[in-house]
Amino acid sequence: EVQLVQSGAEVKKPGESLKISCMGSGYDFTTYWIAWVRQVPGKGLDLMGIIYPGDSDTRYSPSFRGQVTISAANSISTAYLQWASLKASDSAMYYCARHHSGTWNPDRPDYWGQGTLVTVSS
Amino acid sequence: IVLTQSPGTLSLSPGERATLSCSASHSVGTYLAWHQQKPGQAPRLLIYGASSRATGIPDRFSGSGSGTDFILTISRLEPEDFGVYYCQQYSTSPLTFGGGTKVEI
Repeated sequence: EVQLVQSGAEVKKPGESLKISCMGSGYDFTTYWIAWVRQVPGKGLDLMGIIYPGDSDTRYSPSFRGQVTISAANSISTAYLQWASLKASDSAMYYCARHHSGTWNPDRPDYWGQGTLVTVSS
Repeated sequence: IVLTQSPGTLSLSPGERATLSCSASHSVGTYLAWHQQKPGQAPRLLIYGASSRATGIPDRFSGSGSGTDFILTISRLEPEDFGVYYCQQYSTSPLTFGGGTKVEI
């Protein structure tokens, strides 16, 4: 059974760093893309970026480039989303989602993680 | 690629037909998916490839369209179908989502 299991909720202060995770199981982690999606409370879905663990090809959406870092550790089938210095505006639910792999590019999505709530407050 | 969903909110009764629209600023071919999100839950994939139902999705959900104009149809609304529906294109990076359509039962 394919599963994406995300790390637990976090409460941080502005300026702190954070790394959240998404562990894949039930499939070959290196042959599917993992996307990170932000959802501010009461708002829609924003795709932040996507990584192909097989070769670490990582693509950021323009709004998030330079604001976060996406990485993967294939030995433990885990993708990461990290911030060097959090802001209050980073408070949101963060989801990971699996995408099939097309030729050079991500293809159709299928599974979602359960979400990680990040709260940034002084 | 910007995806524009309409209407913003759809208020219908159980048994009625729901028609949700998604319009793309540039052609995405059939590289379009629909997701359903219920309150307090993660999104769930309903449709991919514009018209293919994901595993376990009831046949009352159907998708159509290609290029820039897409439709998600729920033929007979069930009470559990309330929630927000998002379209997503995966034709061109960066992948993008529409703003969502809320279906109120």
